[in-house]
Amino acid sequence: DAGITQSPRHKVTETGTPVTLRCHQTENHRYMYWYRQDPGHGLRLIHYSYGVKDTDKGEVSDGYSVSRSKTEDFLLTLESATSSQTSVYFCAIGGPDQEKLFFGSGTQLSVL
Amino acid sequence: QKEVEQNSGPLSVPEGAIASLNCTYSDRGSQSFFWYRQYSGKSPELIMFIYSNGDKEDGRFTAQLNKASQYVSLLIRDSQPSDSATYLCAVYTNAGKSTFGDGTTLTVKP
Repeated sequence: DAGITQSPRHKVTETGTPVTLRCHQTENHRYMYWYRQDPGHGLRLIHYSYGVKDTDKGEVSDGYSVSRSKTEDFLLTLESATSSQTSVYFCAIGGPDQEKLFFGSGTQLSVL
Repeated sequence: QKEVEQNSGPLSVPEGAIASLNCTYSDRGSQSFFWYRQYSGKSPELIMFIYSNGDKEDGRFTAQLNKASQYVSLLIRDSQPSDSATYLCAVYTNAGKSTFGDGTTLTVKP
């Protein structure tokens, strides 16, 4: 998966608990993205980063925060998980010309 | 109106036929267009990209772009059962992010 590792692969949590998903890359690429994928909605951008400590919101950012303290790591945090955040979360990196995305294996998150 | 719309599926074609997948986009300033393939339970993978009007061919795949009509398509010739997947159209904006359509699920029947 183009040097991208997501962890955990699966997570079950309860409503109201904080959750952090991790994306780690070994490609030294500048751009990193978090998407969620739900049936009937395709991939929707949550947040993205264009460098260390440089992040911006996507179309579905409410309830999520991100941090990027190192080039290789991009963290997605659900401060207080809700059932509507049950989804598959994909991390992606922008390739050398940043437009082409390479995806991690995904994290299946279930909020009960 | 969604920023990127794909033809509703699912799409079913017999083995050996041509599969045609379509996508329209709303932002006239969009510059780069991509097709990703996603097998069930797997992550999306890039299979085609196109920047200029016209056709771009890669093996059995042809991407077509018409910026005036804000339309991009993917043709798969000699479809194989292994082509059965969901195909996602993506449009990259100068804002540094890609917007995806909802995807079209293709089934190729032997």
